[in-house]
Amino acid sequence: DAKTTQPTSMDCAEGRAANLPCNHSTISGNEYVYWYRQIHSQGPQYIIHGLKNNETNEMASLIITEDRKSSTLILPHATLRDTAVYYCIVRALGLNRDDKIIFGKGTRLHILP
Amino acid sequence: GAGVSQSPRYKVAKRGQDVALRCDPISGHVSLFWYQQALGQGPEFLTYFQNEAQLDKSGLPSDRFFAERPEGSVSTLKIQRTQQEDSAVYLCASSYGQYDGYTFGSGTRLTVV
Repeated sequence: DAKTTQPTSMDCAEGRAANLPCNHSTISGNEYVYWYRQIHSQGPQYIIHGLKNNETNEMASLIITEDRKSSTLILPHATLRDTAVYYCIVRALGLNRDDKIIFGKGTRLHILP
Repeated sequence: GAGVSQSPRYKVAKRGQDVALRCDPISGHVSLFWYQQALGQGPEFLTYFQNEAQLDKSGLPSDRFFAERPEGSVSTLKIQRTQQEDSAVYLCASSYGQYDGYTFGSGTRLTVV
């Protein structure tokens, strides 16, 4: 079962920042937070991941709370092409790693023109 | 190639027919995963290979499903005696190391009629 809770859907105006929340209150010390998205008729696409520090790459920023029980994916300037289902996943790495990722239902993000 | 390639892109099978779905992972990627995605649902894990070894097949729904990766590169997912409930998109993903994100292919959409 997925270890995360996400809103079913969200809307965001084009050009604005899209902030997608994720709760993972039972996260363990060796579990990382991963984000993927799936645009219609495509396979999921890796976005970003982190353990406890905030992370940023060319696609997005990931903000993880100090207690690590929740996180927010930020798309700084959303475009229509960002319309997709966004999946927040926790996955153990290291010695007792999860070899597979388990997808939940994700958040369906609609970018509005 | 630069990405994960899956073929065919679409497959229509008559109930009872056997099908074979192919996945070409990114060259050098050690891990390979198969997922099944029903309409409107998140991807569901089927099986996982590390090189040629099938380390986890816990997600295969029945003994009609079989996957192989004989030389540690190309993988084939075979479904025998297809049933209507097998209709779904079958996704393949590969990764180099455990800390890396997965790269997914665009999937094969199987329709059983």
